[in-house]
Amino acid sequence: EAQVTQNPRYLITVTGKKLTVTCSQNMNHEYMSWYRQDPGLGLRQIYYSMNVEVTDKGDVPEGYKVSRKEKRNFPLILESPSPNQTSLYFCASSLGGREQFFGPGTRLTVL
Amino acid sequence: ELKVEQNPLFLSMQEGKNYTIYCNYSTTSDRLYWYRQDPGKSLESLFVLLSNGAVKQEGRLMASLDTKARLSTLHITAAVHDLSATYFCAVDMRYYGNKLVFGAGTILRVKS
Repeated sequence: EAQVTQNPRYLITVTGKKLTVTCSQNMNHEYMSWYRQDPGLGLRQIYYSMNVEVTDKGDVPEGYKVSRKEKRNFPLILESPSPNQTSLYFCASSLGGREQFFGPGTRLTVL
Repeated sequence: ELKVEQNPLFLSMQEGKNYTIYCNYSTTSDRLYWYRQDPGKSLESLFVLLSNGAVKQEGRLMASLDTKARLSTLHITAAVHDLSATYFCAVDMRYYGNKLVFGAGTILRVKS
């Protein structure tokens, strides 16, 4: 089944404790993105990747890092999480110029 | 900076009634998406509107796109309770980081 998977689905952590949210897709898509969803703001792009080893900032990249060492994986790294990063995170993938497919979401709470 | 404005942000309607959600955006784009999101769930793609004048219908929902006016609408006909969800429009900015720029979302509650 073609899908985008994210882990963990739920995470509660404390300020400053490094964490990684994994994202994997099995559709051989070149493009992958991370979005965060906050009430009243819709979804906003954090980072995107056009292919292996090619990443760039989206609209809200502060406090986040990403890497793309393999085509199927695009982890989101929070090196020192803060409470304002409490949010619902979605990973998405697509072929170039085509519709994006979204993962199930990761709900992160930073205390 | 692209702005995408949806209205209304909250819509409470009776079953059987019709209503329209509006999505205005501030820069040129030739492609727009509508998504549905149920509580605690991911985004479900409803419509992909690929050109000016595009109209698509699925069940009680119909979406249209006017790229000259930078306006898309999602029309609900004879609402039923199962349509209760949050609806997002998203403007395709694939030439700028392959991103979608989302509206804030419309929370729809259909009352029996």
